[in-house]
Amino acid sequence: DAGVIQSPRHEVTEMGQEVTLRCKPISGHDYLFWYRQTMMRGLELLIYFNNNVPIDDSGMPEDRFSAKMPNASFSTLKIQPSEPRDSAVYFCASSFGGAGVYGYTFGSGTRLTVV
Amino acid sequence: DAKTTQPPSMDCAEGRAANLPCNHSTISGNEYVYWYRQIHSQGPQYIIHGLKNNETNEMASLIITEDRKSSTLILPHATLRDTAVYYCIVRVGDALNFGKGTSLLVTP
Repeated sequence: DAGVIQSPRHEVTEMGQEVTLRCKPISGHDYLFWYRQTMMRGLELLIYFNNNVPIDDSGMPEDRFSAKMPNASFSTLKIQPSEPRDSAVYFCASSFGGAGVYGYTFGSGTRLTVV
Repeated sequence: DAKTTQPPSMDCAEGRAANLPCNHSTISGNEYVYWYRQIHSQGPQYIIHGLKNNETNEMASLIITEDRKSSTLILPHATLRDTAVYYCIVRVGDALNFGKGTSLLVTP
């Protein structure tokens, strides 16, 4: 298994542009989580899905952020318009059965820089 | 979820046991204790979890006190590759909220 796959690994964009981050979870996992990590705030849970349905999006910072999971093998996190304070590493994780017996498997992250 | 308290940093000599403490005095009966670690610039990695009993796997051992108000993660023979930030998380439900963790430095 290739694990959780995130793309792109690095993204540099100008303020005001739209950014789309992508995630492919592990096949058979029914939960998908999006996290953001900064030095100041640490790892923050943004949103999570169960069976492709958003369960809790209370961590999404504002309306500029949106996430979708159109099917069990793909999810996107979109920022429109992007701002410099959105610069962070964004991680996607998947699991079977929530926090579950085997825990989460994280992807390698997308490092986003907004200039 | 119950709050956890961990020391911000610890050192350990290579080959020695690393004992990482975590206080979770407000834990409730159905809340699990999870441990993850994050090696620099990588995604967090699951280590182990438990409810009441002590647990052991190929990576580590988890010792939970009888009153469940604290726990210790033990890496029996630390190596340089164990240098990482270690997170102790108490949760009920599906989502995990990561705190600041303990930065463990394993020295030669």
